[in-house]
Amino acid sequence: GESVGLHLPTLSVQEGDNSIINCAYSNSASDYFIWYKQESGKGPQFIIDIRSNMDKRQGQRVTVLLNKTVKHLSLQIAATQPGDSAVYFCAERGDKIIFGKGTRLHILP
Amino acid sequence: NAGVTQTPKFRVLKTGQSMTLLCAQDMNHEYMYWYRQDPGMGLRLIHYSVGEGTTAKGEVPDGYNVSRLKKQNFLLGLESAAPSQTSVYFCASSDPTSSETQYFGPGTRLLVL
Repeated sequence: GESVGLHLPTLSVQEGDNSIINCAYSNSASDYFIWYKQESGKGPQFIIDIRSNMDKRQGQRVTVLLNKTVKHLSLQIAATQPGDSAVYFCAERGDKIIFGKGTRLHILP
Repeated sequence: NAGVTQTPKFRVLKTGQSMTLLCAQDMNHEYMYWYRQDPGMGLRLIHYSVGEGTTAKGEVPDGYNVSRLKKQNFLLGLESAAPSQTSVYFCASSDPTSSETQYFGPGTRLLVL
């Protein structure tokens, strides 16, 4: 069946380093992908999206990479800051939107 | 703009009690959604609406009802609460004509004893 998963449930990164959060998806027909950030006690917040006709998209300090060959999505955060501490999850849209379980990003001082 | 707001923020219910969760958005979005978020699971869609007066079932609709009498409001009702409905509920809205991004509210934490 369709599924959206994450390789690591928790990721610890030194402040200032780059963070890479990964996501696998199984529906090859999905045409739109989104990354959300969810801080403790808050609702999910849109970070960046990418359509299936692209393989890379950049935002402010964030980059999303899409590898359709292996059905893999990643979120790169440059120069990680304490404010980046949150749960990050991906979502894919095929005939419906499926959300991943999330990866918790922990920033080390 | 306040964006998407939800009331209440937190509620405790006894099994069998009923309640209504209110979602309001001031972005003039056509689409609205109700999700539940449980530990170790991704967001799951309960019901959604593609416009005023219309609603549709999502992935986990059983035990819930919804109404969209006004474009800006989307209500989620629990007629007879069960412990399995203990969860954090998120409302979201989107404007399909300009973006597929869903904007989420801050959530309602519900505990059913």
